[in-house]
Amino acid sequence: DTGVSQDPRHKITKRGQNVTFRCDPISEHNRLYWYRQTLGQGPEFLTYFQNEAQLEKSRLLSDRFSAERPKGSFSTLEIQRTEQGDSAMYLCASSLREQGRQTQYFGPGTRLLVL
Amino acid sequence: GENVEQHPSTLSVQEGDSAVIKCTYSDSASNYFPWYKQELGKRPQLIIDIRSNVGEKKDQRIAVTLNKTAKHFSLHITETQPEDSAVYFCAATAYSGTYKYIFGTGTRLKVLA
Repeated sequence: DTGVSQDPRHKITKRGQNVTFRCDPISEHNRLYWYRQTLGQGPEFLTYFQNEAQLEKSRLLSDRFSAERPKGSFSTLEIQRTEQGDSAMYLCASSLREQGRQTQYFGPGTRLLVL
Repeated sequence: GENVEQHPSTLSVQEGDSAVIKCTYSDSASNYFPWYKQELGKRPQLIIDIRSNVGEKKDQRIAVTLNKTAKHFSLHITETQPEDSAVYFCAATAYSGTYKYIFGTGTRLKVLA
């Protein structure tokens, strides 16, 4: 499968624990996005990387959240001191400018449940 | 701030009928509008998109229309089939900065056999 991959697919953790998710984008894509999706809602933008540079962070991304893309390839999203409100699907997407549009291709997501 | 409203939230149609989902966006700088289909437990999949310099685009049974003046865009599915049942999301973005997508809240389409 040459699409966007995410690991793990599911994570159950206790409140207060730290969790880290990984995203591997499509190999030639230089742009990488993280979104959060809660039940019955559309994905909400969290943060964006162009190559290794993190260029925008949403107000949704509290100081407990940190994301990295150290070599401009895979990315990690870490949540420290998890809270029950962090329970959601975390989606990663990547894109490459083509024909003047920015089509984003999504990974399967990591579903987080905080108990 | 930027916002995309999507209606209806649920839609049931008989197999073979048409389905229409409507979205309204607030950011006048938006100029690219993708539609995604998300089946239960699966990733969002792009089904069709439209750029602001085009008023309509069609791909087999799926079409999208855009009214930039009214900031409206719509998804039309004709001759619906049971496998069209899914949640559909519209999104809007601008060709500047991050190109982040602002998504609608989704429409759950159920095609009744």
